[in-house]
Amino acid sequence: GENVEQHPSTLSVQEGDSAVIKCTYSDSASNYFPWYKQELGKRPQLIIDIRSNVGEKKDQRIAVTLNKTAKHFSLHITETQPEDSAVYFCAARYRGGSYIPTFGRGTSLIVHP
Amino acid sequence: SQTIHQWPATLVQPVGSPLSLECTVEGTSNPNLYWYRQAAGRGLQLLFYSVGIGQISSEVPQNLSASRPQDRQFILSSKKLLLSDSGFYLCAWSSGPFYEQYFGPGTRLTVT
Repeated sequence: GENVEQHPSTLSVQEGDSAVIKCTYSDSASNYFPWYKQELGKRPQLIIDIRSNVGEKKDQRIAVTLNKTAKHFSLHITETQPEDSAVYFCAARYRGGSYIPTFGRGTSLIVHP
Repeated sequence: SQTIHQWPATLVQPVGSPLSLECTVEGTSNPNLYWYRQAAGRGLQLLFYSVGIGQISSEVPQNLSASRPQDRQFILSSKKLLLSDSGFYLCAWSSGPFYEQYFGPGTRLTVT
């Protein structure tokens, strides 16, 4: 099966700085990598995803990069704002088995105003 | 558009009592359905998933069970709750194995 490692577990930045969260995965057959944002007490919300045929994807201040050779992918948030404060989860889904995504442990991002 | 509902939103139950959490999806047919549990400050633990009516796969053996009596209904149950069952229970759906997952609003369960 798949194993996903996520770092750091906590990230504290000043408003306006950039934030980077990194994930590594173990199964080279993984082909889909979503990122979720979970605000306190709320459900995880899909914010961006990338498939294995693409190296980078951007959506306004958020971008995700994928390095298939190294088996890692990263979430980049630029010009952070206090409302970006949340827990972020990465996940990887591989083609074999049940196609269930495997989630990382989460990163608590704190943006100080 | 698709909508996913969960109820109740909050539940406080004594140890040893039964549990029934319900999840329904609107606006789609034959969704893949999932139950996750999230302990306080922790990640997402997959409990069950279903690819169709009556088809349930368990990821973690425990005192919980799941059923899918209708295409868009997914139920999580327990005959006797444990203190360790406390947590945030999330239902999720996807159009199929190759599509994105979307989460319901969750049920916060406290076992006392």
